[in-house]
Amino acid sequence: ELKVEQNPLFLSMQEGKNYTIYCNYSTTSDRLYWYRQDPGKSLESLFVLLSNGAVKQEGRLMASLDTKARLSTLHITAAVHDLSATYFCAVAYYGGATNKLIFGTGTLLAVQP
Amino acid sequence: DVKVTQSSRYLVKRTGEKVFLECVQDMDHENMFWYRQDPGLGLRLIYFSYDVKMKEKGDIPEGYSVSREKKERFSLILESASTNQTSMYLCASSLRRVGYEQYFGPGTRLTVT
Repeated sequence: ELKVEQNPLFLSMQEGKNYTIYCNYSTTSDRLYWYRQDPGKSLESLFVLLSNGAVKQEGRLMASLDTKARLSTLHITAAVHDLSATYFCAVAYYGGATNKLIFGTGTLLAVQP
Repeated sequence: DVKVTQSSRYLVKRTGEKVFLECVQDMDHENMFWYRQDPGLGLRLIYFSYDVKMKEKGDIPEGYSVSREKKERFSLILESASTNQTSMYLCASSLRRVGYEQYFGPGTRLTVT
């Protein structure tokens, strides 16, 4: 079955710095999602990536997908405190009758002033 | 906007009680999902449904059952609550069956004492 690994699990960074969250998955898939979760709240969709080389950007966040390497990255540029949240990647898994999204364990991002 | 609502934000139940968690979506989505979220484990799929009266087991169905009598409503049932079922429960829905973006409800924080 598909396995999804995110790293790091926890990231403390200073405002203004850049960093990247990585999402690796174990078998072929054709779509990958990034979600954001604020403390005590539900998940909010950020990006959907559908093809090799896909890149999506929203504000200070940029997501990319390399299907050959089975790797997606979420790059944070010039972090601000408002970006503090937990970020999840989720990969579509096609297992016959059990098609579903497989979620990574999440990356808790804390942006310090 | 897609709206997914859950019947309670917080619940406290006693061991052995029967617990019902309800989820309603208003966008005529085919698919509905129940997850539990625990620190360090990410989201784990309990059950999902791709049509009225249809259900499929996810990764951790033990101790749970579900009901989908109407397209917009998906219920999670804990037949006899146990302390290890203390968790955050998230409901989600998606338009189509195969790997489509999932929209999440606000979550129910269940504590079993």
